[in-house]
Amino acid sequence: GIQVEQSPPDLILQEGANSTLRCNFSDSVNNLQWFHQNPWGQLINLFYIPSGTKQNGRLSATTVATERYSLLYISSSQTTDSGVYFCAVDNTGFQKLVFGTGTRLLVSP
Amino acid sequence: GAVVSQHPSWVICKSGTSVKIECRSLDFQATTMFWYRQFPKQSLMLMATSNEGSKATYEQGVEKDKFLINHASLTLSTLTVTSAHPEDSSFYICSARGAGQSYNEQFFGPGTRLTVL
Repeated sequence: GIQVEQSPPDLILQEGANSTLRCNFSDSVNNLQWFHQNPWGQLINLFYIPSGTKQNGRLSATTVATERYSLLYISSSQTTDSGVYFCAVDNTGFQKLVFGTGTRLLVSP
Repeated sequence: GAVVSQHPSWVICKSGTSVKIECRSLDFQATTMFWYRQFPKQSLMLMATSNEGSKATYEQGVEKDKFLINHASLTLSTLTVTSAHPEDSSFYICSARGAGQSYNEQFFGPGTRLTVL
C-alpha cells in the first residue's frame, strides 16, 4: 500500500516563529488532506489539497502531486497551534485515507 | 457545517462485555462513514468503511465479528466492540464523507476513548 512519511517528527517553536511541515507519499493520490489533532484528540480539517496551493489565515499548504509531496506552512505560530499535524492521502478513489506518521508541534510562550 | 458527533466520549467496561459507539453527522447526510483506531502516540488506522444500507467493508486484519458496524440511516453509524478485551482499549474515531462541495473531504468526530479492564 501507499506509504506516507511526515517530517520533522517533533518540532518545538517559540511563539511567533514560522515553520514548514512536510508530507511525502509513495504513489499518486487523488485526495490529500491536512489535519490538526488537538490535545483532546479532535481532528480539525485544515486543507483539502490534492494539488495546488491554498491559504487560510496564518496557514497555507502546497501540494506538488507530480513530485509526491505536500507542505504545510504555519506563520506567526501561537500556543494554540500545539498538537499533532497529520497529512492523509487516498489513492484508491474510495476515500480510504492513509494517515502519515504525524508531526508533533509544541509552541511555547 | 459538516459537524460529526460521537457518543460516548469515553467508556470503561469490564472484559467480556460489548460496547456500542455512535457516530452522527449533525448537519449533513453522510452516505459513507469511516471508523478509525488510534493507539497512544500513533497515527490513525482505517478499520472499516460504512455505507448506508449495505454491509461494511473491513480493512485487512480487522475482525468483522469483533467490530460490528451498522449504518442504518444517512446520519448514523454505530460500531459495536463485542466481547471486549484489554487489547481492544484504544481511541476510536469516526468520520463522514462530506456533501456537496465538500464531497471529497472527510470530517471527523471527537473520538471515543475505550478502556477495557
